[in-house]
Amino acid sequence: DAGITQSPRHKVTETGTPVTLRCHQTENHRYMYWYRQDPGHGLRLIHYSYGVKDTDKGEVSDGYSVSRSKTEDFLLTLESATSSQTSVYFCAIRQNSGNTIYFGEGSWLTVV
Amino acid sequence: QQQVKQSPQSLIVQKGGISIINCAYENTAFDYFPWYQQFPGKGPALLIAIRPDVSEKKEGRFTISFNKSAKQFSLHIMDSQPGDSATYFCASQLIQGAQKLVFGQGTRLTINP
Repeated sequence: DAGITQSPRHKVTETGTPVTLRCHQTENHRYMYWYRQDPGHGLRLIHYSYGVKDTDKGEVSDGYSVSRSKTEDFLLTLESATSSQTSVYFCAIRQNSGNTIYFGEGSWLTVV
Repeated sequence: QQQVKQSPQSLIVQKGGISIINCAYENTAFDYFPWYQQFPGKGPALLIAIRPDVSEKKEGRFTISFNKSAKQFSLHIMDSQPGDSATYFCASQLIQGAQKLVFGQGTRLTINP
């Protein structure tokens, strides 16, 4: 599992509330990613990080922000959750040597 | 903009048969093509991957065929088993820089016993 832990695994929240998802890794990988998975769309990149305090946008970044204050943690924040952000969110890391990207177990978010 | 198109969306195959899933990409700069397998409630897991300098890669019952000129690649599962029932995603990746993955839409594969 490449030492990836996502929390919470399941969350139900109300529209307009802030939500933060956490991705924790134990193997000192430089690159970390947040994807969302929706039926018919596969997985789409939200944001990624290439080091502490170094982040960049993916293809579906609107409504999301990220932070990486230490190597092991990459946080995804929905500042004001909307129903369109109901999805499954996956954190991923890339090995420091090689091309393989590994995914966490996912966080199921429902915005009501 | 959909850069990777995957078909079919769903596929039913009898046990022992061959499962074939196809993908087409648009960006000729992509230089790494992984396939991921996902079981319900789990994250995607790398199954097999290919670089564009080879036309075929085989690992056990799983084979990737790659056609660079057509910008297409496919996954073949030989002797399909019920345990292969899962959702499969093709992806394209640039191995320079951030190596962001661009995924196809996914194929739900069901192997009937």
